[in-house]
Amino acid sequence: QSALTQPASVSGSPGQSITISCTGTSSDVGSYNLVSWYQQHPGKAPKLMIYEGSKRPSGVSNRFSGSKSGNTASLTISGLQAEDEADYYCCSYAGSSSRVFGGGTKLTVL
Amino acid sequence: QVQLVQSGAEVKKPGASVKVSCKASGYTFTGYYMHWVRQAPGQGLEWMGRINPNSGGTNYAQKFQGRVTMTRDTSISTAYMELSRLRSDDTAVYYCARGWELLAQKGLDFDYWGQGTLVTVSS
Repeated sequence: QSALTQPASVSGSPGQSITISCTGTSSDVGSYNLVSWYQQHPGKAPKLMIYEGSKRPSGVSNRFSGSKSGNTASLTISGLQAEDEADYYCCSYAGSSSRVFGGGTKLTVL
Repeated sequence: QVQLVQSGAEVKKPGASVKVSCKASGYTFTGYYMHWVRQAPGQGLEWMGRINPNSGGTNYAQKFQGRVTMTRDTSISTAYMELSRLRSDDTAVYYCARGWELLAQKGLDFDYWGQGTLVTVSS
C-alpha cells in the first residue's frame, strides 16, 4: 500500500485560505468516503480535524473543511491564523480494515 | 474524559523485541477498535495495524506482518503492541489511537491518541 500523495509544504498569510490536496487511488480515497485529516504540532500527538471526508468533530473550528473529488481529497483552512501553523496528514480507509496515511504537509503561516 | 496513557520510552538493541502498552480510560474499552501508528524522527505517520478489543481479532499492515503482535487485556483496559526483530529504522514514536466504534464501521477515526512512546533501536 503506497502512501497518499500530499504537497510537502504550503503557505499563506493570516486571513487567507489555503487548500491541501491528498491524492490516492481507486483502492483507497476513490473507493470510500472515509478520509480523515489530522493536525500535528511539533512534539505533540496528532489531532483529528476532519473525518468521513467532510465532517468536523465537536470543538474543531468551522474554518476547517474537507471535500473529495475522484481519487483526491482536500482540506481547506479559511481565515488562516498563526496557530494553524503545523503539519497536516490525510488518512484513508483502504479496505480490509487497513488505513493509509499521506506523507504530510507543512503549513507555514507567513 | 477519554484518555490513552502509554508506557515510557525504551532503548533496545537490534534484533530485540519491544512491547508498548496503552491504557484506556473514560470509555468502554471493548467498544472501539484500537490502532497503532508510528512516526520515525522527522517523518510522517505510518499505520501499523489494529485490534478489536472485544474479540482480540487483529489486522496488520503488510509491512509488519510476522513482526508485530497486538494484544489486549480487557480486565485492565490495556492494549499492547509488540514489535520483534528490531532494526535501526524501527526507531520511532509509537502511538495508540482509538478507532471506530465496533458496531459502526465508520465515524470518528483516531479521535483520541496516546502521548506516544519513543522506541530507540541502537547498538
